[in-house]
Amino acid sequence: NAGVTQTPKFQVLKTGQSMTLQCAQDMNHNSMYWYRQDPGMGLRLIYYSASEGTTDKGEVPNGYNVSRLNKREFSLRLESAAPSQTSVYFCASSEGPKETQYFGPGTRLLVL
Amino acid sequence: QKEVEQNSGPLSVPEGAIASLNCTYSDRGSQSFFWYRQYSGKSPELIMFIYSNGDKEDGRFTAQLNKASQYVSLLIRDSQPSDSATYLCAVTGLNTGGFKTIFGAGTRLFVKA
Repeated sequence: NAGVTQTPKFQVLKTGQSMTLQCAQDMNHNSMYWYRQDPGMGLRLIYYSASEGTTDKGEVPNGYNVSRLNKREFSLRLESAAPSQTSVYFCASSEGPKETQYFGPGTRLLVL
Repeated sequence: QKEVEQNSGPLSVPEGAIASLNCTYSDRGSQSFFWYRQYSGKSPELIMFIYSNGDKEDGRFTAQLNKASQYVSLLIRDSQPSDSATYLCAVTGLNTGGFKTIFGAGTRLFVKA
């Protein structure tokens, strides 16, 4: 039982490049989330998926897209990376939208 | 105005003392309240959740919720150096489009040996 897994662990991009962050959970959870964490800012919600087949914008969705591929997988795509997207990205899942969230190990992204 | 407020700290306490962490929130309709612990360079992990007014105890940890005053606190008894971390308060409420969880920026706790 791996919980929530994320790939890659670390990535360096040049401005304008694109990439996809992958997230998978094996807890049969319905809800999944993408956050970014910047120093002094706490966790800010980018996008979430309350259940398979649905996605909604969070607090800071600009510059990102998501895909809920199936119940297990929720990916985050940066179409044209910008230095302002340098951050640590966490994926999380929960049984339902009011329940405890379980976090993946994070992806550290540096955009030059 | 931030929706979930925490003192950023650092809060420094001696080993064996009680550490008191506080959090206030703005949405009166909030329904679920969580405390997560985050070690440096690691992901957040759940310490406790509380849904009803009053106290909830789990080992050395006690969560306290006061919905009338819109605050939630976490007490850590017999603090240990291994408790040194950032503690994140999270609050879930119903918004248009469904439930939404807001995280505070966190309070850094340092327990001195």
